[in-house]
Amino acid sequence: DVKVTQSSRYLVKRTGEKVFLECVQDMDHENMFWYRQDPGLGLRLIYFSYDVKMKEKGDIPEGYSVSREKKERFSLILESASTNQTSMYLCASHRIYGGTSGRVEQFFGPGTRLTVL
Amino acid sequence: AQKITQTQPGMFVQEKEAVTLDCTYDTSDQSYGLFWYKQPSSGEMIFLIYQGSYDEQNATEGRYSLNFQKARKSANLVISASQLGDSAMYFCAMGGSNYKLTFGKGTLLTVNP
Repeated sequence: DVKVTQSSRYLVKRTGEKVFLECVQDMDHENMFWYRQDPGLGLRLIYFSYDVKMKEKGDIPEGYSVSREKKERFSLILESASTNQTSMYLCASHRIYGGTSGRVEQFFGPGTRLTVL
Repeated sequence: AQKITQTQPGMFVQEKEAVTLDCTYDTSDQSYGLFWYKQPSSGEMIFLIYQGSYDEQNATEGRYSLNFQKARKSANLVISASQLGDSAMYFCAMGGSNYKLTFGKGTLLTVNP
């Protein structure tokens, strides 16, 4: 019953390393998202993509980039990891049926807890 | 810009009772959607219910219903007949025409036996 998977549940990296977080969904969803979740701040959108090779910045894109070469895969890249990027990273995908009055099919991945030392 | 406000950091409810979790929003979009999620201590984010801004009827999904009052810009989640397994963090979120979601800071619900 796989829906959205993320490459790692836990990851420890050193400051300055390049970090790749992978997300794969098997529901043929157009829209995919990367969030980070920090205590007291809730979820904040980093980047999202509404089609292959299409991406848009979210609320906190600084220090991150993304890649979407295939519909099912959305990658988050930390070009040079810093300690303030220690966080829980959540990937999500969704599809809206029939516009704003339609139904929603949406799933989150299990999350990757990243620690940058 | 969109904003979601959840004013209740924590809520307590007795098992089998109903509970309402508050959510107010602010947006200049005419077309938008409102979402509720549950996040248990295990960390996974579970989608519960969705309401489109043009839906005239309140959304319902099993024991969950969304009390949508458009004029007041509120989208409260009602959980009927609470169960111990409902203890979790609950997040309200909204998305505009591109469904980029803005989340509230969450309400921690504790169900007491």
